Amino acid sequence: DSGVTQTPKHLITATGQRVTLRCSPRSGDLSVYWYQQSLDQGLQFLIQYYNGEERAKGNILERFSAQQFPDLHSELNLSSLELGDSALYFCASSGQGQGGYTFGSGTRLTVV
Amino acid sequence: AQSVTQLGSHVSVSEGALVLLRCNYSSSVPPYLFWYVQYPNQGLQLLLKYTTGATLVKGINGFEAEFKKSETSFHLTKPSAHMSDAAEYFCAVTKPSGGGADGLTFGKGTHLIIQP
Repeated sequence: DSGVTQTPKHLITATGQRVTLRCSPRSGDLSVYWYQQSLDQGLQFLIQYYNGEERAKGNILERFSAQQFPDLHSELNLSSLELGDSALYFCASSGQGQGGYTFGSGTRLTVV
Repeated sequence: AQSVTQLGSHVSVSEGALVLLRCNYSSSVPPYLFWYVQYPNQGLQLLLKYTTGATLVKGINGFEAEFKKSETSFHLTKPSAHMSDAAEYFCAVTKPSGGGADGLTFGKGTHLIIQP
């Protein structure tokens, strides 16, 4: 157990739908990062939140959004889903200092 | 912008042989460098990281990597491969910043195959 909890582990949904992925960071970590892993794109950084504020954006589509709540858990919202959004979505957290990232076990999203 | 190049999408070695996985990076500032391992249907596990200080970094499971600024490389090695080392390996880079580091930029990964 890495200390980063992601739910659900698996999600199957239809095109055009909207889903929410949840991440609870490791205790004490203020930063949460979201990554997408797909066969064709590899591991792509989507977005980072730090203590409730958006900190950095990567290759995140406009159909996707995220937020970090006061208790530091984060949610990634994916809307108007397309077949190509099928991927593993990872959350990672880190504390202050020297780049120690801890990854969750991921949510496997399948869009049918 | 930062980038990572991992040479060889697949590397095959015999059990007991040296493992060498290559990683070259591009960064406009002194980087933080990482190697992660991913076993099938699992998340990413940190093997080792370089931030500052000693350029030879030792990690878990007998792996080590050396930061060579002049070559912009951070190759991963293990003296003797074990069957349990078969997995996908990712090199990643980020830049240090105040209040914590930014997101990681990953290489495309190297699939390590161990031959009995």
